Amino acid sequence: DGGITQSPKYLFRKEGQNVTLSCEQNLNHDAMYWYRQDPGQGLRLIYYSQIVNDFQKGDIAEGYSVSREKKESFPLTVTSAQKNPTAFYLCASSLSWGDEQFFGPGTRLTVL
Amino acid sequence: KQEVTQIPAALSVPEGENLVLNCSFTDSAIYNLQWFRQDPGKGLTSLLLIQSSQREQTSGRLNASLDKSSGRSTLYIAASQPGDSATYLCAVLGSLFIDMRFGAGTRLTVKP
Repeated sequence: DGGITQSPKYLFRKEGQNVTLSCEQNLNHDAMYWYRQDPGQGLRLIYYSQIVNDFQKGDIAEGYSVSREKKESFPLTVTSAQKNPTAFYLCASSLSWGDEQFFGPGTRLTVL
Repeated sequence: KQEVTQIPAALSVPEGENLVLNCSFTDSAIYNLQWFRQDPGKGLTSLLLIQSSQREQTSGRLNASLDKSSGRSTLYIAASQPGDSATYLCAVLGSLFIDMRFGAGTRLTVKP
């Protein structure tokens, strides 16, 4: 089955810790995206990558970091510098930037 | 800066009713607009994508229209069913390819 997987589904973090969220796709898509969703708000773009070994900041990149060493993988690290990291994180991919986006099931991060 | 608004925030209708969901955007210079469905605690499912040169797209009981000049898109759902209950979001990609904006969504409840 082709699709996007995210792990873990739930993640708990203590203050001051860095955590990494996994996103993998087997759709052979060039573009990948990370979004954050807070209750009652639309999705906000954190980082995006149009091609392997390249990525760009979105609207709310502060306190986050990414890498794109492989076409199928786009992990997101939430650093201790992120002031309010508790949220639902969604990864997406598309054939290329601007094409129809397909989403993973999401990771819910809670800071204890 | 592009702003995307979805009104109402919530809508409840009886089963079998035809309904329209609204999406408004402030900058008409868009590349495309995409409609998604989100079930509680899940990722987004792509429904329809309309390119800026198109006026509408159809998939089954769904029809999405785009009027760039008025900054509006509508999602028409025919013969609604309880299984259509979900939050519906629209997303706009700006024509310069650097501006991706989501609305906060309309939560639809279809009562049996």
